[in-house]
Amino acid sequence: AQSVSQHNHHVILSEAASLELGCNYSYGGTVNLFWYVQYPGQHLQLLLKYFSGDPLVKGIKGFEAEFIKSKFSFNLRKPSVQWSDTAEYFCAVKGYNQAGTALIFGKGTTLSVSS
Amino acid sequence: DAGVTQSPTHLIKTRGQQVTLRCSPKSGHDTVSWYQQALGQGPQFIFQYYEEEERQRGNFPDRFSGHQFPNYSSELNVNALLLGDSALYLCASSAGFTGELFFGEGSRLTVL
Repeated sequence: AQSVSQHNHHVILSEAASLELGCNYSYGGTVNLFWYVQYPGQHLQLLLKYFSGDPLVKGIKGFEAEFIKSKFSFNLRKPSVQWSDTAEYFCAVKGYNQAGTALIFGKGTTLSVSS
Repeated sequence: DAGVTQSPTHLIKTRGQQVTLRCSPKSGHDTVSWYQQALGQGPQFIFQYYEEEERQRGNFPDRFSGHQFPNYSSELNVNALLLGDSALYLCASSAGFTGELFFGEGSRLTVL
């Protein structure tokens, strides 16, 4: 069965620090990968996605993620975080051959950025 | 352009009762998915509706059922509520099966 593992439960950073959130998935075939973000009091929204092509994908607000197929990983990065990046971040995977759009989510990582 | 809207936002039920949650998808979207998010967990897929039929189902018991209407809106029904059903229920819509989902703010269900 597919699963997603997010290594960090809670990350605390100061503004301007660099961020890397780990995500590993288990699935034997081709995957679509996503990072969703939930800001305090807001709904889940898509941060970035990988379907195919360049394994380094860029999303909104300066975030990027790198798909490393050999490591089954899709880590999220940002060179310099801001206080407004405080949120919960979820990695999700969809099997390419899987009908429908059921996403398997990780448990999430809470990011707290202090100013 | 309205996004995904869900109702009610909060509700409290007792064990054994039944609940119905409602969702209107984002304009132009024809596919609706439901997720359960327990405290401290990521969303878990319940089922997905497309063309008024359940197209895909996650690992949830038959107590969880749903419906999609011709206008693409959807309902989630849960019968014989258990304490463990307390969670945030998220509706997500999409156009097609790309996996790019647009989420509503959720319905928080508390079962006492």
